[in-house]
Amino acid sequence: DVKVTQSSRYLVKRTGEKVFLECVQDMDHENMFWYRQDPGLGLRLIYFSYDVKMKEKGDIPEGYSVSREKKERFSLILESASTNQTSMYLCASRKGGPGQPQHFGDGTRLSIL
Amino acid sequence: SQELEQSPQSLIVQEGKNLTINCTSSKTLYGLYWYKQKYGEGLIFLMMLQKGGEEKSHEKITAKLDEKKQQSSLHITASQPSHAGIYLCGADNREGGSEKLVFGKGTKLTVNP
Repeated sequence: DVKVTQSSRYLVKRTGEKVFLECVQDMDHENMFWYRQDPGLGLRLIYFSYDVKMKEKGDIPEGYSVSREKKERFSLILESASTNQTSMYLCASRKGGPGQPQHFGDGTRLSIL
Repeated sequence: SQELEQSPQSLIVQEGKNLTINCTSSKTLYGLYWYKQKYGEGLIFLMMLQKGGEEKSHEKITAKLDEKKQQSSLHITASQPSHAGIYLCGADNREGGSEKLVFGKGTKLTVNP
């Protein structure tokens, strides 16, 4: 089975802090994704990566950056956390493109105070 | 851009009852994925449909893709409290890049014992 592991289930940070969310997958998947999920807005794509050191902006990249130095690890960085970044963050990985499902981690519930 | 609309937004049923959740796309579906999410957790992949008229089942859950490939339904037979959660449909986004999925906003299912 595919295993996508997010480093924290719950995280509380303060405004202005630099926040790192880590995601690791163990199935040698090329593609990795970061989403945030908010009530009424559904899943929104922040960034995705289709290879090591490659990244593309999703629908809401503002205030975020990402890093993919190794194939199995994809990090989401909040450069200067703000209260409107309080959300559920979900990481996913996918082998290839169409016809393959994305597999998700357990999520990180991030609160910015 | 492609959009997925799920109906109903929420559903409350008595244990043992059957139910159906719908996912309607604004464009032809080339790959349709169903996920289940328990509150505060990640998404669990259930099934993938690709061909018009295709039907797949897993335990008491059956998913279908219509012949025109613009609508999918998820049917649960003899619902149990363990079926409770949020069900999301996702589709391959042919316009935005093949690696990405478009998601519906989800249907929240409550099963009362």
